[in-house]
Amino acid sequence: DSGVTQTPKHLITATGQRVTLRCSPRSGDLSVYWYQQSLDQGLQFLIQYYNGEERAKGNILERFSAQQFPDLHSELNLSSLELGDSALYFCASSENWGLDTQYFGPGTRLTVL
Amino acid sequence: GENVEQHPSTLSVQEGDSAVIKCTYSDSASNYFPWYKQELGKRPQLIIDIRSNVGEKKDQRIAVTLNKTAKHFSLHITETQPEDSAVYFCAALQTGANNLFFGTGTRLTVIP
Repeated sequence: DSGVTQTPKHLITATGQRVTLRCSPRSGDLSVYWYQQSLDQGLQFLIQYYNGEERAKGNILERFSAQQFPDLHSELNLSSLELGDSALYFCASSENWGLDTQYFGPGTRLTVL
Repeated sequence: GENVEQHPSTLSVQEGDSAVIKCTYSDSASNYFPWYKQELGKRPQLIIDIRSNVGEKKDQRIAVTLNKTAKHFSLHITETQPEDSAVYFCAALQTGANNLFFGTGTRLTVIP
């Protein structure tokens, strides 16, 4: 157990809908990272927050957004969902940023029908 | 940005043999290289990492070597066991950057 928690574990929804994925980092970690893992694309970095501020952006679609709250938990919002958004979404956390080790949560499996 | 290539994509070994997975990276500014193990449907788990001021690091049956000049690093698993079967990902992080760049993964199968 990495200490990073994610909810829900599974999510099934329809195209065009909007969902919110939640992540709680390890105690004391200030950085949260979001990754998408689909079958044909491996692990893709989406976005990083550090102590409430957006720090880095990767291959995140405009339909997706995220935020980190004062208690350091983070939410990833996915809207206007398409079939291709079906994937495992992982959150990771680290103590600070940069060279700190990232610990992954158990992931949320999103299925868009 | 950084580009990480990983080989092979699949690897089968007999139980007790060694397994080697290799990665190359493109940006000489990268200086942190973790390896993650991922079982089917589960989270990536950090198994070992190495920073650029070190050439080799070992943890029981697992070792990682880094060649900064050639920009490649490798994972070595000795005395493989069936429970080592999983997908292994290498990654690289650049100085001043915030996100890991992952390789495409190697599916290791250890045959009993």
